[in-house]
Amino acid sequence: GQSLEQPSEVTAVEGAIVQINCTYQTSGFYGLSWYQQHDGGAPTFLSYNALDGLEETGRFSSFLSRSDSYGYLLLQELQMKDSASYFCAVINQAGTALIFGKGTTLSVSS
Amino acid sequence: ETGVTQTPRHLVMGMTNKKSLKCEQHLGHNAMYWYKQSAKKPLELMFVYNFKEQTENNSVPSRFSPECPNSSHLFLHLHTLQPEDSALYLCASSQDLLAGEGQYFGPGTRLTVL
Repeated sequence: GQSLEQPSEVTAVEGAIVQINCTYQTSGFYGLSWYQQHDGGAPTFLSYNALDGLEETGRFSSFLSRSDSYGYLLLQELQMKDSASYFCAVINQAGTALIFGKGTTLSVSS
Repeated sequence: ETGVTQTPRHLVMGMTNKKSLKCEQHLGHNAMYWYKQSAKKPLELMFVYNFKEQTENNSVPSRFSPECPNSSHLFLHLHTLQPEDSALYLCASSQDLLAGEGQYFGPGTRLTVL
C-alpha cells in the first residue's frame, strides 16, 4: 500500500522560516508533490520533485531524498497569507492519480 | 481562477434525492478526477478519466456514478446518499494521466446529506 506522514500542525511568526516534513511509503515511486489549500478553497499546486535535491520557487522550496523516502517543503519569509493547509502527495502505483497526506495546518501570526 | 469550474458550490439533499455535480475545465487537459474531502481526513481519490475513458474507480459505492461525455466535462451523479457522504467534492484536471506534475482543482461542491 501507499501512505504518507506529515505533521498535523505547525505554528510560526511572520518573517520566519518553516519546514514541513513528509515521509512516504509506496510500492512504486514517481515523485513527490506539494499542494496548498486555504480554508474554504481548492488545493493549488506548489511543486513537484521527481529527483533528489532541492527545487526553489520564490519563497518556497521543496526537497526530496528518494533513498530516505522523505521530502520537505520549506517556506521562507513567512507572511500571514501563508496560513493554510499543506499536503504532500505521491502518484499511486497505477500511475493514474495522486495519494495525499492528511495535511499540515500552518498558522502564521504577527 | 484555476480554469476548472464546479457547480453547484453548495448542495443540500435528502437521502432519497437524486442530484448531479458538474465540473468543466477550460485548460485543454486530457485527464479529469473526482476527489472527496471530509473533515480531518486526507483527500480521497474517487474516479479518474483519461480521454473520456474511466481508468480508475477507487472502490467507490455505486450510489456515486460518474459520467464524462468529453474531455472538458465531468459529472458525478448522486442517488440515495447517506449522511456520511457529506463532504467537499473536488474536481481536478491534468494535462496527462501521470498527474505528479500538477493537477488543477476546482473550488469544490460542499455537499450536505440530511
